[in-house]
Amino acid sequence: EVQLLESGGDLVQPGGSLRLSCAASGFTFSSYAMSWVRQAPEKGLEWVSVISNNGGRTYYADPVKGRFTISRDNSKNTLYLQMNSLRAEDTAVYYCARDRGGRSLGFDPWGQGTLVTVSS
Amino acid sequence: SYELTQPPSVSVSPGQTASITCSGDKLGDKNACWYQQKPGQSPVLVIYEESKRPSGIPERFSGSNSGNTATLTISGTQAMDEADYYCQAWDSSTVVFGGGTKLTVL
Repeated sequence: EVQLLESGGDLVQPGGSLRLSCAASGFTFSSYAMSWVRQAPEKGLEWVSVISNNGGRTYYADPVKGRFTISRDNSKNTLYLQMNSLRAEDTAVYYCARDRGGRSLGFDPWGQGTLVTVSS
Repeated sequence: SYELTQPPSVSVSPGQTASITCSGDKLGDKNACWYQQKPGQSPVLVIYEESKRPSGIPERFSGSNSGNTATLTISGTQAMDEADYYCQAWDSSTVVFGGGTKLTVL
């Protein structure tokens, strides 16, 4: 079964840092680009970042550029999101999702999400 | 930056057809995908490449994309289809989601 499992969400103070992880199983992780998508409470989906299958290319949404870093370890089948200089507006459930490819095949599956709360 | 616009809400009676639109500049030149999200659950891909359904998605879900508008159509809508629906497309090397549409089955 294709599965993604996020972890690392927590309560953190403004200005703090956090690293999220996403463990993949059931597919050849190194063959797929991966994305992080977040959802603030009672709000819609917001794309955060994408990384190519080999980690050579990364792209970010403007609100997180320069503060967040996406990375992956294909030997561990794990995706990461390093979040620095956190702000209250970063409070959200963070999902990892597999990019099925070609900019047309969509994101599937999605993990169950991990909650990040930025508050003093 | 590129934007996708969806109506905040759509209502439909059971058994009827629901249509949810997604508008963006020259969206028809891009590939649109659609996701369903039920309360407390993660999003699920229901349409990719405008009109294709992933394995396990019922045939009542269909899609189209032309000009500036992509449309998700649910034929014979069932109570279980009540959910939030999001369109998505790529703009250069970034991903854009629509604001979401809450589908209510009355």
